[in-house]
Amino acid sequence: GENVEQHPSTLSVQEGDSAVIKCTYSDSASNYFPWYKQELGKRPQLIIDIRSNVGEKKDQRIAVTLNKTAKHFSLHITETQPEDSAVYFCAAREGSNYKLTFGKGTLLTVNP
Amino acid sequence: EADIYQTPRYLVIGTGKKITLECSQTMGHDKMYWYQQDPGMELHLIHYSYGVNSTEKGDLSSESTVSRIRTEHFPLTLESARPSHTSQYLCASTPGPSNTGELFFGEGSRLTVL
Repeated sequence: GENVEQHPSTLSVQEGDSAVIKCTYSDSASNYFPWYKQELGKRPQLIIDIRSNVGEKKDQRIAVTLNKTAKHFSLHITETQPEDSAVYFCAAREGSNYKLTFGKGTLLTVNP
Repeated sequence: EADIYQTPRYLVIGTGKKITLECSQTMGHDKMYWYQQDPGMELHLIHYSYGVNSTEKGDLSSESTVSRIRTEHFPLTLESARPSHTSQYLCASTPGPSNTGELFFGEGSRLTVL
């Protein structure tokens, strides 16, 4: 089955700085890579996703890049704000299998 | 409003009790999932269902059981709760083949077994 590694487990940045979270996956058949944000006491919510036929996707201050050859993908948050503080999860889904395998999560803290 | 609902949100029970965590979604999704989230944040898939009368065990072994008699309803049952079952349980759903793949989560049920 799929195995997703996520780094770092914790990340602390100053407001306005950029934050980068990296993930690797093991199954070359995986073709869908979402990122979820979970604020304290709240449910995880999708913030951005990318499919295997795309190398990069942006949505305002967040972007995701995918390197299929190396089997890794990254989340980039620019101009971080205190409200970006949360746990971020990467995930991978293989082919037509509708199970998502999640990384262990990254606790991002943005200091004002 | 279309959403995914979990009850109870919080539950404290004694060892040996039987409990059922309810999950209902009003989005017409055919695929539903149960995740266990430990204090260290990690999400573990414990059960999933791709439709009525279809249930499968997930990647993390669990003593719980599930049923899927109606599309919108996916309850999880623990026959005899133990302190090791203390955790947050998140229900999720996603629509059929022509979808974006987004997983929609409920707000979770936080279970404490004394």
